[in-house]
Amino acid sequence: QDQLQQWGAGLLKPSETLSLTCGVDGGSLSGFYWSWIRQPPGKGLEWIGEINHSGDTYYNPSLKSRVSISAGTSRSQFSLRLSSVTAADTAVYYCATGGVMKGRYYYYYGADVWGQGTTVTVSS
Amino acid sequence: DIQMTQSPSSLSASVGDRVTITCRASQGISNDLGWYQQKPGKAPKRLIYAASTLETGVPSRFSGSGSGTQFTLTISSLQPEDFATYYCQQHYSFPRTFGQGTKVEIK
Repeated sequence: QDQLQQWGAGLLKPSETLSLTCGVDGGSLSGFYWSWIRQPPGKGLEWIGEINHSGDTYYNPSLKSRVSISAGTSRSQFSLRLSSVTAADTAVYYCATGGVMKGRYYYYYGADVWGQGTTVTVSS
Repeated sequence: DIQMTQSPSSLSASVGDRVTITCRASQGISNDLGWYQQKPGKAPKRLIYAASTLETGVPSRFSGSGSGTQFTLTISSLQPEDFATYYCQQHYSFPRTFGQGTKVEIK
């Protein structure tokens, strides 16, 4: 799997909800840990959160009250919702997958497949 | 949260130079660390995982080392396509934090 496909609205007004989806054309997501990461203009990478193969979710505490990550039952896509956005949420948003299964155990070694990125701008 | 501190924040180097980037964790993370390369307008690309394992297809001039709190990414002979920003990320605990990045520029 070379790259994930991302889609969702790129221009939002303050207080609206950001909604992005990440998936694979005609197939299943690779890996067992599916993440969202963002990058404000000219800045570094910020981990937003992830959902794993069991449906467990983990979020960055700085965003926890506003963020939700979910996955479809078909393992073909997963989604990000970020509520009450402000200009500070303007960034390129990336989805990414990773993790391997060895025997009956799962291991995470970071994200090895990424989406192309979606530029989200919050402006009135 | 575990803080990841990279040094330097930027460096200028010439083709053929040996380049070393350091990443320090605020607490021990075993070898749960990856290195990523990002070029302008592109998604990051994983170069190394588990601190020292080279991603398939990544040139052998890249290497990683370290464990615990101190990690290093080395490029043995810098090539034109290596000019980019490099990030470390720990996945030992949540939130999975990144270093602030090291920009490698042409001298």
